[in-house]
Amino acid sequence: GENVEQHPSTLSVQEGDSAVIKCTYSDSASNYFPWYKQELGKRPQLIIDIRSNVGEKKDQRIAVTLNKTAKHFSLHITETQPEDSAVYFCAASWLGGGADGLTFGKGTHLIIQP
Amino acid sequence: GAVVSQHPSWVICKSGTSVKIECRSLDFQATTMFWYRQFPKQSLMLMATSNEGSKATYEQGVEKDKFLINHASLTLSTLTVTSAHPEDSSFYICSARSQTNYGYTFGSGTRLTVV
Repeated sequence: GENVEQHPSTLSVQEGDSAVIKCTYSDSASNYFPWYKQELGKRPQLIIDIRSNVGEKKDQRIAVTLNKTAKHFSLHITETQPEDSAVYFCAASWLGGGADGLTFGKGTHLIIQP
Repeated sequence: GAVVSQHPSWVICKSGTSVKIECRSLDFQATTMFWYRQFPKQSLMLMATSNEGSKATYEQGVEKDKFLINHASLTLSTLTVTSAHPEDSSFYICSARSQTNYGYTFGSGTRLTVV
């Protein structure tokens, strides 16, 4: 089955600086790579995702890059703000006519220092 | 957008009793439902996958007789935790897929505490 590794487990950055979280996956059949932000006791909130036919995707301050050859993908947050503080999870799955369940990384606790 | 309603949001039950959690897709047909469990300060772990009208497929290590999943309609899936024990205390969350919707739609989660 799929295995997703996520690093770092905790990331502390100064407000306004950039944050980068990295994930690797093991199953070359995976073609869908979402990133979720989760606040305590709440459902995961999709912040950005990327499909395997795309190398990079950007949405305002958030971007995701994917290297299929190396099987790794990264989340980039620029100009960080206090409200970016949360736990972030990467995930991988296969999406087609049907779908596999998501395999999640262990999460990164992002702390934005004022 | 796609919405999945999950109930209850929290439940406390006595050890040995059973608890049912419901997930309803409100504006789309959920052909596939995924059930996850999340222990405190840990990641979400897939427990099982169910397709409407079929038996659920359980992940390794998840007891199918303990976690009963029913997906009898395209808008409703239930997870019943049978003979609950304190170690079953966790955050349970469903996620639905349809043939037409992009990605996965998560329910709001259920905090189960077994005392």
